Amino acid sequence: QKEVEQNSGPLSVPEGAIASLNCTYSDRGSQSFFWYRQYSGKSPELIMFIYSNGDKEDGRFTAQLNKASQYVSLLIRDSQPSDSATYLCAVNRDDYKLSFGAGTTVTVRA
Amino acid sequence: EPEVTQTPSHQVTQMGQEVILRCVPISNHLYFYWYRQILGQKVEFLVSFYNNEISEKSEIFDDQFSVERPDGSNFTLKIRSTKLEDSAMYFCASSGAIGDTQYFGPGTRLLVL
Repeated sequence: QKEVEQNSGPLSVPEGAIASLNCTYSDRGSQSFFWYRQYSGKSPELIMFIYSNGDKEDGRFTAQLNKASQYVSLLIRDSQPSDSATYLCAVNRDDYKLSFGAGTTVTVRA
Repeated sequence: EPEVTQTPSHQVTQMGQEVILRCVPISNHLYFYWYRQILGQKVEFLVSFYNNEISEKSEIFDDQFSVERPDGSNFTLKIRSTKLEDSAMYFCASSGAIGDTQYFGPGTRLLVL
């Protein structure tokens, strides 16, 4: 079983719509959860982090965490063409290593 | 805004040669990391470094790899005898504490011929 699983996509949404991204993880000891955005050929750029169950909002982004279901999601509201990228879910046990999913590619259609 | 920097941005080398990838972490961070991403694949953890020693390493980080903090600002990854399969993007990252957000540098694209 993969440590962190994401739907690879591509996820295509029209401009202004909501993009919904999902991630599941296998290690119940995971404590910290991160969403990074990666443009082609570039490095991961932090979008949001979440540590506690529930929702966390930051501008157009909302992260949701459910530790019982080992599930974390990211909603992108009012999607813009500049949001077209690969979104990486990353998980940490409060030790040194970040475990990444393979990423979900999002395309926002103008 | 503080950021992680890496040099070179691109490196081409012949199989069997040694390469050194350089990173300058964010200045007040204490934890340093190397990750790699083979083209089309996920980001993979290589090694973490704290207090001048390796704190965790993956099975990828075998004897051909080493890390060093030669001075107060630089953090390096050395690959002693490169193989074709070492071709990848190598990212340096740093964080202020364990479990804290890790901030990534722009990466070094390594091509082994």
